[in-house]
Amino acid sequence: GEDVEQSLFLSVREGDSSVINCTYTDSSSTYLYWYKQEPGAGLQLLTYIFSNMDMKQDQRLTVLLNKKDKHLSLRIADTQTGDSAIYFCAESLYNFNKFYFGSGTKLNVKP
Amino acid sequence: NAGVTQTPKFQVLKTGQSMTLQCAQDMNHEYMSWYRQDPGMGLRLIHYSVGAGITDQGEVPNGYNVSRSTTEDFPLRLLSAAPSQTSVYFCASSGRGTGGFEAFFGQGTRLTVV
Repeated sequence: GEDVEQSLFLSVREGDSSVINCTYTDSSSTYLYWYKQEPGAGLQLLTYIFSNMDMKQDQRLTVLLNKKDKHLSLRIADTQTGDSAIYFCAESLYNFNKFYFGSGTKLNVKP
Repeated sequence: NAGVTQTPKFQVLKTGQSMTLQCAQDMNHEYMSWYRQDPGMGLRLIHYSVGAGITDQGEVPNGYNVSRSTTEDFPLRLLSAAPSQTSVYFCASSGRGTGGFEAFFGQGTRLTVV
């Protein structure tokens, strides 16, 4: 399968910005996604970006895509304790029916 | 998660038993898929379907069967459960949304094989 890599842990203080990074290997990726998973729960779609875009902003979330470096990031502004969760980066290829996931970044927000 | 319903939420099986995990979506999506989530490994694709009557294998298909007789339903069958199939299983439904191509996941089924 395709390689999607993320760092395993990130710890920030409440009110700070969080930046979660992801790298992928397949240059034919069509969409790149960010999902949030709280303990014992399913995956919640946070946002996604089409591969011909550089940036997408949605309230406190900003997604940056660097296609040249195959690097995707998710910035959460004013991080809250309710943002503590595991965040998964995923890519879908041109055929849309397969998604490749990173192993997830566990975000810990300290009060 | 909007529109994808998985049942059951929890299940304990004995080695060798069979069972079916149910998945239904009401978004009229063409694509449905099954993933398993193991600690530290993200999600891995088991089987997927691009439409009714069409299924194909993903990364880890061994020990699982699927069928897609309707657009709405995509059940996953464990033929003879093994402890290595202890995992959390997620069903996904994907298709064109208002903003692009979206994929939604069910709440998951936690399966333990003893």
